[in-house]
Amino acid sequence: SAVISQKPSRDICQRGTSLTIQCQVDSQVTMMFWYRQQPGQSLTLIATANQGSEATYESGFVIDKFPISRPNLTFSTLTVSNMSPEDSSIYLCSVRLTGVGSSPLHFGNGTRLTVT
Amino acid sequence: GESVGLHLPTLSVQEGDNSIINCAYSNSASDYFIWYKQESGKGPQFIIDIRSNMDKRQGQRVTVLLNKTVKHLSLQIAATQPGDSAVYFCAEGQGAQKLVFGQGTRLTINP
Repeated sequence: SAVISQKPSRDICQRGTSLTIQCQVDSQVTMMFWYRQQPGQSLTLIATANQGSEATYESGFVIDKFPISRPNLTFSTLTVSNMSPEDSSIYLCSVRLTGVGSSPLHFGNGTRLTVT
Repeated sequence: GESVGLHLPTLSVQEGDNSIINCAYSNSASDYFIWYKQESGKGPQFIIDIRSNMDKRQGQRVTVLLNKTVKHLSLQIAATQPGDSAVYFCAEGQGAQKLVFGQGTRLTINP
């Protein structure tokens, strides 16, 4: 398994501002993903974070709103830009470990974001 | 697009009984299925997974059953304990690609 650290663990932000969430993994990983979990709901994939290149976004998510960086194999950031109350969610980083084929995704404990 | 859903949004069982959580999926190309447990304030925790070339897989107190004919997945928890109280999610994927999650079932354990 891997230890996945997300910062911050929670935040309360004002609308119109932006928040950058960091994800650090203690193991070598192949793939990193960012998910969103709205209150009381399931997880929705935002994007795949690609090392050294632009992230691959899912339908309904765009780079201007959710810019993502992944400068190396073990670190990624997700920015929630120009926030509105509808962005209040848990944002989760997940990873697939190196060399384990179709291994399960491992998740961090998430960043709980409240936008007022 | 592909989707994964659940038959029961909530499930309440007596401590010591067996629990069965069901899940339906729609993408026949999916070849990898997985169950997660999510406790309050935490991220999803891996429970058990199964590939499409199998129809049953057992772990410690848990069993996953896969019926590809009707695109159905289930999680069985034996001798349910208070610590099993959580929300359970199924998810599907293709190979080493992204996972698509179902809506989740909240399992509560009655003493």
